Amino acid sequence: QVVLSQSPSASASLGASVKLTCTLISGHSTYAIAWHQQQPKKGPRFLMRVNSDGSHYKGDGIPDRFSGSSSGAERYLTISNLQSEDEADYYCQTWATGIPWVFGGGTKLTVL
Amino acid sequence: EVQLVESGGGLVQPGGSLRLSCAASGFTFRNYEMNWVRQAPGKGLDWVAFIGSSGKSVDYADSVKGRFTISRDNAKNSLFLQMNSLRVEDTSIYYCARDDGSGSYPASWGQGTLVTVSS
Repeated sequence: QVVLSQSPSASASLGASVKLTCTLISGHSTYAIAWHQQQPKKGPRFLMRVNSDGSHYKGDGIPDRFSGSSSGAERYLTISNLQSEDEADYYCQTWATGIPWVFGGGTKLTVL
Repeated sequence: EVQLVESGGGLVQPGGSLRLSCAASGFTFRNYEMNWVRQAPGKGLDWVAFIGSSGKSVDYADSVKGRFTISRDNAKNSLFLQMNSLRVEDTSIYYCARDDGSGSYPASWGQGTLVTVSS
């Protein structure tokens, strides 16, 4: 069973940068993950896929301020030049052959 | 532009049934696997059900197996979720989601439809 761990909350100031972490546990450190953003009262939105080598592929229309990276079993989402609209919940998600979608618990990002 | 529009949610008593629909547009629906994902009030995202592009392959979360049925009509670009024997704990917003084309992750999401199970 693949499990994803995320910190419940994070905060950073308007215009600053923040790095959110998603940790793959149970021996699945080579898995790719996807990041999804959920703004208040809205459905989720796919942001990007992050591979184990740190390469990432962003969805259509995702600003350059969003980037992804990896280190070992950790996958990161970095948001630069934080805007008020970035205040949202961020979920990581992974997959594998024969295993349905697995989501992390989400990180609630507050923009101060 | 990919669009997924869910409908069919509402208030239902425990033990009751509901059928959710998801109308897809902006892509060749028959070529993509589809899923339902739900979110209980104030909670995170939970995968519910999967259906392959032809409809022949399906899978369910243990929590809904035997009670929910996922199906699709490729001629009408529509995805469905028949929910029977509903429980209070099924109360959630239900989202339909299209995969990325290789079954890896949800590349597109709908706006969701709220199902409330309460007496």
